[in-house]
Amino acid sequence: GQQLNQSPQSMFIQEGEDVSMNCTSSSIFNTWLWYKQDPGEGPVLLIALYKAGELTSNGRLTAQFGITRKDSFLNISASIPSDVGIYFCAGSGGTSYGKLTFGQGTILTVHP
Amino acid sequence: DSGVTQTPKHLITATGQRVTLRCSPRSGDLSVYWYQQSLDQGLQFLIQYYNGEERAKGNILERFSAQQFPDLHSELNLSSLELGDSALYFCASSVGTNRDPPYGYTFGSGTRLTVV
Repeated sequence: GQQLNQSPQSMFIQEGEDVSMNCTSSSIFNTWLWYKQDPGEGPVLLIALYKAGELTSNGRLTAQFGITRKDSFLNISASIPSDVGIYFCAGSGGTSYGKLTFGQGTILTVHP
Repeated sequence: DSGVTQTPKHLITATGQRVTLRCSPRSGDLSVYWYQQSLDQGLQFLIQYYNGEERAKGNILERFSAQQFPDLHSELNLSSLELGDSALYFCASSVGTNRDPPYGYTFGSGTRLTVV
């Protein structure tokens, strides 16, 4: 089945630093999504990408949909303590619409 | 509050038992999705319903079943529980059907199931 490889698995950074994480897939996706999950909560959508090559920003977050449709990255600039959490990439499309295939997540820790 | 309501928040039960998890989608959403999140497997898609009908199935065990009722709430039934079924179970809802992109795909806060 479809699988997403997300890296890095975890990051420990200082407040103010920029962060980058990415996802790659062996399959093509028609939609790439980035979610953040806080402890005890469900994932919350940060950015959605619908077109190959698309670059989209949401405040300090920037994400890109790879040209091959098999990868995506998320950048967080000038990190702050509330950025702490688990970030997931997710892909949709291909063999089964609607359902999402998730990466394993990147655990982000921000030291003040 | 995401608008997707899941109950109960926590559930502790013994092996071999049966439990029912409940999800109320956001107002206006017709699709409901169930996901399982465990430490070693990440978020795994289980099953999708749209307006009462099953639309897509993922890696859902035969011991698990789900349904969506006329009022659009959904229930996930887990039976003959095993220790390995301990996980967070999330429900998500969206307006759409099988189309891309998955607009308005919103998760609930989850039910934490512990099997002892």
